Amino acid sequence: SQKIEQNSEALNIQEGKTATLTCNYTNYSPAYLQWYRQDPGRGPVFLLLIRENEKEKRKERLKVTFDTTLKQSLFHITASQPADSATYLCALPNQAGTALIFGKGTTLSVSS
Amino acid sequence: DSGVTQTPKHLITATGQRVTLRCSPRSGDLSVYWYQQSLDQGLQFLIQYYNGEERAKGNILERFSAQQFPDLHSELNLSSLELGDSALYFCASSVGSLEPYNEQFFGPGTRLTVL
Repeated sequence: SQKIEQNSEALNIQEGKTATLTCNYTNYSPAYLQWYRQDPGRGPVFLLLIRENEKEKRKERLKVTFDTTLKQSLFHITASQPADSATYLCALPNQAGTALIFGKGTTLSVSS
Repeated sequence: DSGVTQTPKHLITATGQRVTLRCSPRSGDLSVYWYQQSLDQGLQFLIQYYNGEERAKGNILERFSAQQFPDLHSELNLSSLELGDSALYFCASSVGSLEPYNEQFFGPGTRLTVL
């Protein structure tokens, strides 16, 4: 079955730096990958989707890459701000394409 | 605000009991998904309904069941509750069902505590 791994440790960075979060997956090649943000006690919020034929996608200060050879996606937040502090989840469709499988998330903390 | 509503916000009950969680999707969305999130397991997909019909099943226990009504709201029924069922339960909705590129809009969740 599909397995998704995200940095289990929290990521602590200073305001203004670039945060880079990693999502690794095994066992198959998904058609796309999504990233969500989740604040404590709240529902996840969709951020970006990247398809298998796209190497990179940008949205404002966010950038996502998708390396199907390495089976890895990197999520970058440039010029990070304390308001970016949250848990970031990556999600892939299951092999049947009927459901999203979420990673356990990486908690980002940006200090001023 | 995602446009997805869930009630109740908090629920405290005892082992062995049965509860019902309710979800109203965003206007126009036909798909409803249910997820369970606990500290150790992360966000786990339970079940999906599309326009009233079950479309996909994940790690949903036999003690749990769901349905989607003609007005598209959905209910998740949890019975014979155990301590381990304590978790956050999220509902999400999307426009379509099998199209792979639909983003999901999550509700605020129901926090279930089983004592």
